[in-house]
Amino acid sequence: EDQVTQSPEALRLQEGESSSLNCSYTVSGLRGLFWYRQDPGKGPEFLFTLYSAGEEKEKERLKATLTKKESFLHITAPKPEDSATYLCAVRTTGANSKLTFGKGITLSVRP
Amino acid sequence: EPEVTQTPSHQVTQMGQEVILRCVPISNHLYFYWYRQILGQKVEFLVSFYNNEISEKSEIFDDQFSVERPDGSNFTLKIRSTKLEDSAMYFCASNLDTPNYGYTFGSGTRLTVV
Repeated sequence: EDQVTQSPEALRLQEGESSSLNCSYTVSGLRGLFWYRQDPGKGPEFLFTLYSAGEEKEKERLKATLTKKESFLHITAPKPEDSATYLCAVRTTGANSKLTFGKGITLSVRP
Repeated sequence: EPEVTQTPSHQVTQMGQEVILRCVPISNHLYFYWYRQILGQKVEFLVSFYNNEISEKSEIFDDQFSVERPDGSNFTLKIRSTKLEDSAMYFCASNLDTPNYGYTFGSGTRLTVV
């Protein structure tokens, strides 16, 4: 069974304190790994898709990387507005379009 | 920026009643999806819809559930006879092309079954 595990469950940072969020996955075959941001009471907001090991993508203070077993979302010098839940999801070779999500990591950035 | 619009934002229904959750996807998108999120749990796939038919569905999407695109703009999820365990946030999503493009999700409908 395809599994996506995110850690830690929650992370509290001081503004400016860089850190990384982890997403490990066990799948039959990977067609894409997705990162989303979710604010309370809202739908997930797309951030990145990564397709193959070694790939990296950046957007403002966020950088996503991918290996054969896990992905990291690096947050550089976070600001309070980066506080949200970050979701990782995979699309596998056995799926047509279904995404399998992890439970998410709740990030709080204190000013 | 184009949005996926969902109505209502919150619906309370009696157990056993039928509910219809409504979504207006982004106008030029071709793929449509329903996901749900039970409080404190993962976002779970329900169904995908392309070219006026279901292209994939999960084990959750049993005979109690159905989807429809009744016209060129709306996409609906019907639950025929709601159960307490159907209480969740239901998200509609759409995307333009291949599923590897990021979906655009709506803000969700919170369904409470009492």
